[in-house]
Order: sequence, then C-alpha cells, then structure tokens
Amino acid sequence: AQRVTQPEKLLSVFKGAPVELKCNYSYSGSPELFWYVQYSRQRLQLLLRHISRESIKGFTADLNKGETSFHLKKPFAQEEDSAMYYCALRLGYSGAGSYQLTFGKGTKLSVIP
Amino acid sequence: DAGVTQSPTHLIKTRGQQVTLRCSPKSGHDTVSWYQQALGQGPQFIFQYYEEEERQRGNFPDRFSGHQYPNYSSELNVNALLLGDSALYLCASSSQYEQYFGPGTRLTVT
Repeated sequence: AQRVTQPEKLLSVFKGAPVELKCNYSYSGSPELFWYVQYSRQRLQLLLRHISRESIKGFTADLNKGETSFHLKKPFAQEEDSAMYYCALRLGYSGAGSYQLTFGKGTKLSVIP
Repeated sequence: DAGVTQSPTHLIKTRGQQVTLRCSPKSGHDTVSWYQQALGQGPQFIFQYYEEEERQRGNFPDRFSGHQYPNYSSELNVNALLLGDSALYLCASSSQYEQYFGPGTRLTVT
C-alpha cells in the first residue's frame, strides 16, 4: 500500500537559515507528488507539484525516484514561512479530475526571528 | 468566486447520532473529494464524487456515505457516530489541472 512519511513533526530554524523538510514515499506505480501548506487559520493550499518543476515562494522540491524522496527546500527561511507542511502522493489516474491523495502526517515549520 | 465552501463550520453531536456535512465546489470544478483529518494527522481520503457517482473510496466503513448533486455540490453523511469520528472534515474540489480545499467542518462527537 502507498505511504508518505514525514519524519519530523516539528522543525525550528532561524530566519535566513536553509530549510529542508523531508518526505519519503512508498508506491509501486509512477508517483505524482505535491507539497501542501497550511498557514495559521487558513485552509490547506497547494505549494508545489513535482511535475511543474517550479519554485514557489522560494521553495523547490525534486523527485528522487531512486531514494523515493521528495524533500522541500528553501535556501533562506523567512518568518512568514512558519506553517504546517504536508507532503502528498496522488494515486493511480482514474479520470481527469481524480485527485485521490495520500498525505503524510505533516511537519510544523517554525522560523525563529 | 469564494472558492470551496463548507457548512457548517463547527458541529457537536452525540455518539450514535447521524450527521450531514455540505460542500460547494469552486466554480468550474466537477469533482469533489472528502477527507478526514484527525488531530495531529494528515488528511485521510474518504471518497470522491464525479458525475453524481462515487468513483473512488478510501478505507472507511459504510457508515460514511455521500452524495453529489447536478450542480456538483456534495454531502458527506456519517451514521452511528463514534467518538473516533471527531475530526476536521475537508472537502476538496478539482478539475483536470487543479485541486482546492475548503476550510473544513470541525465535528466533535461527545
């Protein structure tokens, strides 16, 4: 069965320091991976997806199929990055709008001023 | 466009009761998914509706059922509530290219 593991429940870094939020997955098919973010008192929102290969708010994530990882990185943390981050795996395709996601338990990022 | 909306915001029910949660998708989205998020956990997929039919289902018992209307809005019904059903219930609507989440309904079972 598919699984997403985020080993850190809480990650604290100083402002300006690099950030790496870890995500490992297990899935027998071809994965599609996402990072979602939830800021305080806001709804869950998409941060980035691996197929886009883009940088959002300075964050990047590279899919490493050999290590089955999709770590989220940012070179210089900002206070406004403090939030809950979830890694998610999209399962087998069953329609254009099919977004059955398996989420990790999340990592709370706290950026210290 | 208000995006995905859910009602009610909060709900308190007693064990054994039944509850109905509602979701209106983002304009232009025809697929609705429901997730359960227990405290300290990531969202867990319950089921997905498309063209008024349940298309995919996660590992949830039959006590959890749903419906989708012709206007794409959706309901989540939970029968015979258990204490363990206390959670944040998230609705997400999607099109081919994107998925958006609603703010959730906080259900407390006492």
